[in-house]
Amino acid sequence: DGGITQSPKYLFRKEGQNVTLSCEQNLNHDAMYWYRQDPGQGLRLIYYSQIVNDFQKGDIAEGYSVSREKKESFPLTVTSAQKNPTAFYLCASSQQRSSYEQYFGPGTRLTVT
Amino acid sequence: AQTVTQSQPEMSVQEAETVTLSCTYDTSESDYYLFWYKQPPSRQMILVIRQEAYKQQNATENRFSVNFQKAAKSFSLKISDSQLGDAAMYFCAYSERSQGNLIFGKGTKLSVKP
Repeated sequence: DGGITQSPKYLFRKEGQNVTLSCEQNLNHDAMYWYRQDPGQGLRLIYYSQIVNDFQKGDIAEGYSVSREKKESFPLTVTSAQKNPTAFYLCASSQQRSSYEQYFGPGTRLTVT
Repeated sequence: AQTVTQSQPEMSVQEAETVTLSCTYDTSESDYYLFWYKQPPSRQMILVIRQEAYKQQNATENRFSVNFQKAAKSFSLKISDSQLGDAAMYFCAYSERSQGNLIFGKGTKLSVKP
């Protein structure tokens, strides 16, 4: 089945540690996205990538980093510089950046204490 | 900057009845898309319906339909014959055709009463 996988579903880290969230897609999509969701909020864009080896900052990129070495993979690193990292993180992909439909993964709940 | 506003934090509907969720947006662009996404307790985001701004006809998907008022920048979602499985958070979202990035509202929590 084609789709987007995110692992793990729940992740716990101590404050001050970097943590990397995985996102893989087998839809052969060019564009990939990372969103953050906080309680009572809609999704906010962290980073996006249109093609391999290229990515741009979204609205809330501070304290995060990404890489896009392979078309199917777009990992997100939450660094110790992110002041409030506890949140629900969603990865999405679309055929092209201008494609109107984004497909979402199941998300990762990150808790930092 | 584009914004999306959902003015109803929570809504409730009786099973088999009809409910309308409101959404307004602000943009100076003319070529864009509008979406309604559903997020059930599993937190998986599911696309419910989409509307292309250049199309005057309102989109319909089975029990889900929209009322797209371009001049008023309004995009409401109507759910007919509500079912228990419709209970979820519903998010309105906007994207420009050339951009692809989705801008979301804060969501409306829909409860369905048996």
